[in-house]
Amino acid sequence: DAGITQSPRHKVTETGTPVTLRCHQTENHRYMYWYRQDPGHGLRLIHYSYGVKDTDKGEVSDGYSVSRSKTEDFLLTLESATSSQTSVYFCAIKGGEGQETQYFGPGTRLLVL
Amino acid sequence: AQSVTQPDIHITVSEGASLELRCNYSYGATPYLFWYVQSPGQGLQLLLKYFSGDTLVQGIKGFEAEFKRSQSSFNLRKPSVHWSDAAEYFCAVVSGGTASKLTFGTGTRLQVTL
Repeated sequence: DAGITQSPRHKVTETGTPVTLRCHQTENHRYMYWYRQDPGHGLRLIHYSYGVKDTDKGEVSDGYSVSRSKTEDFLLTLESATSSQTSVYFCAIKGGEGQETQYFGPGTRLLVL
Repeated sequence: AQSVTQPDIHITVSEGASLELRCNYSYGATPYLFWYVQSPGQGLQLLLKYFSGDTLVQGIKGFEAEFKRSQSSFNLRKPSVHWSDAAEYFCAVVSGGTASKLTFGTGTRLQVTL
């Protein structure tokens, strides 16, 4: 258990509405990541953070923004949700300096109607 | 750019039979390789990892994987499958740099028949 929680765990929203997903960690890890999981694609990196206010884009960042104002929280925002953003979203942390292993949260299932 | 290929989308084995899940990677330098397992509706759990050293690595739940540089492979094995092993399995590789971004394969779904 890497001390990662995600909220909400499930969400249904309508096209065009903003959505924010939250990832919270309790172990003060520097690196945090957001992935989306879709059938036939595995997991793909959306954005990641390497410290407070330090973020960068991943492979599929279009339509998403992130913020990290505190070490423990990493927020993923869909400014105007589209049906193509229906997915399962996973947050991950990298376990400590010098470690390369990522540990994942339980996921958020998002349905955009 | 690095990539990971899992050629088998779906595999069915009988309980008690041996299992091998294939993973091929494309990466210029020495890769950091991982296998994760995902049970239905759950998050990803780390099974095992390879960074360097002994090319045969042991993981949790009786799984092992062998790194073969000449074949660019990191196949996952288990000598005797249990019904509880039914899940989706993902192979992943870390790209270079300090960010340690993971590139995943598309996954292999394992079904276990009794």
